[in-house]
Formats: sequence, C-alpha cells, structure tokens
Amino acid sequence: KNQVEQSPQSLIILEGKNCTLQCNYTVSPFSNLRWYKQDTGRGPVSLTIMTFSENTKSNGRYTATLDADTKQSSLHITASQLSDSASYICVVSERDSSYKLIFGSGTRLLVRP
Amino acid sequence: GAGVSQSPRYKVAKRGQDVALRCDPISGHVSLFWYQQALGQGPEFLTYFQNEAQLDKSGLPSDRFFAERPEGSVSTLKIQRTQQEDSAVYLCASSLVVRAKETQYFGPGTRLLVL
Repeated sequence: KNQVEQSPQSLIILEGKNCTLQCNYTVSPFSNLRWYKQDTGRGPVSLTIMTFSENTKSNGRYTATLDADTKQSSLHITASQLSDSASYICVVSERDSSYKLIFGSGTRLLVRP
Repeated sequence: GAGVSQSPRYKVAKRGQDVALRCDPISGHVSLFWYQQALGQGPEFLTYFQNEAQLDKSGLPSDRFFAERPEGSVSTLKIQRTQQEDSAVYLCASSLVVRAKETQYFGPGTRLLVL
C-alpha cells in the first residue's frame, strides 16, 4: 500500500514558468514531510523539511506548503530554470520512527528552453 | 567537505553471485541508512545504523541481504546469491544524529544489474 502519492507523474513546462507539484499521504502518526530533488543518476538532495506545525517553508525559488489536517503538501517552483529538470520526491516520516523515510514515486519535471 | 560516497557506482552480477556494496558516510555522522530504489520508483528503506549498532533492519527483503558497520563509519551492504529482482539502485545516506528534522544526506548510489 502506497502511503505517499504524488501528482502529476510527469510534467513539461517552459523555462521561466511556474509549476506546482502535489503530494497526498496517509502516514500516521505524522512526524515530518520533506521534499527532495533527484537529478538523473544522483542521490536525492533535500529541499525542505516541515513538521505538522509548519504551513510553509521556502528554499530560494522552491516553496513547500503543508496541510496536516488534509494530509496534503505542495511544492511550488517559481521562474523555472533548465537546471530544475529532475524528479521531485515527497517524503514523509512517522512519529515513532522519524528516521525511516517513506518516499513517494516522484514527479518527473522537464523544463524546456 | 566531502559528501557521502559509494562504490562501486555500477555493478553487473550473474544470478547467484554474491556482491558487496560500500558506503563512506560524511565524517562524524552517527547515523547511516540504506535504501533500495527500483527503476521509476522512490527509494525504500532497508536498514539503519547508529554508530556500529544496527537498530532497524525491518526493510531488508530477505535473509540474503546483510549489512554491517563494524567500526561505526564505513558500511557494507552484502547481497548473497543475487536474483534478478535485486536489480536496483542502492542508496546510502547519513545524518549527524537522529532527530525528527535532521537532514539525511544521500550518496550517488550503486546501480546493480543482475543478469
């Protein structure tokens, strides 16, 4: 059973445009939610980490939101660049084992010139 | 400073062979994690070490998988009698401590192909 669902599976946008990626989770009890960026052939790199008390967290052009009541999160990318082409993975942890990251399947983003 | 490194980066094994994958965590990081990432999927947790102690191995798919970290730094993931379904990218991550918001830093992974 997949506890972290992401949409869309893939997305193509033009350079300079904004986009929003979605994440829904069923993990409970909830500890924290992270967004990772994974370039092809590389390990994931952390973008943001939020606990249940945080509604939004920014990292440069990346802004993550969290609604712990509806168990939804989004990652908004502003003014996209070619280097943003990557997979973006939503990751959730349970309260009792917060070290054990539960990954979604990711959204594959392609930014075209 | 240096990040998490893994070796080899690529490994091709014949079915039934044993393989050993190495992870060098960031110096001073107490916690070390192994994940398995199938093609087109997100990583899945395999096991967790705090120093040399293996505190959670609940994600290891079978008793053919074995991990160790004897001196609390370098770790090795061993897969015995490899099967085709073992083909995946094996990711290692480390963190300074284990805390709810602690960042796990990932290595580039070892891509294993079992023929």
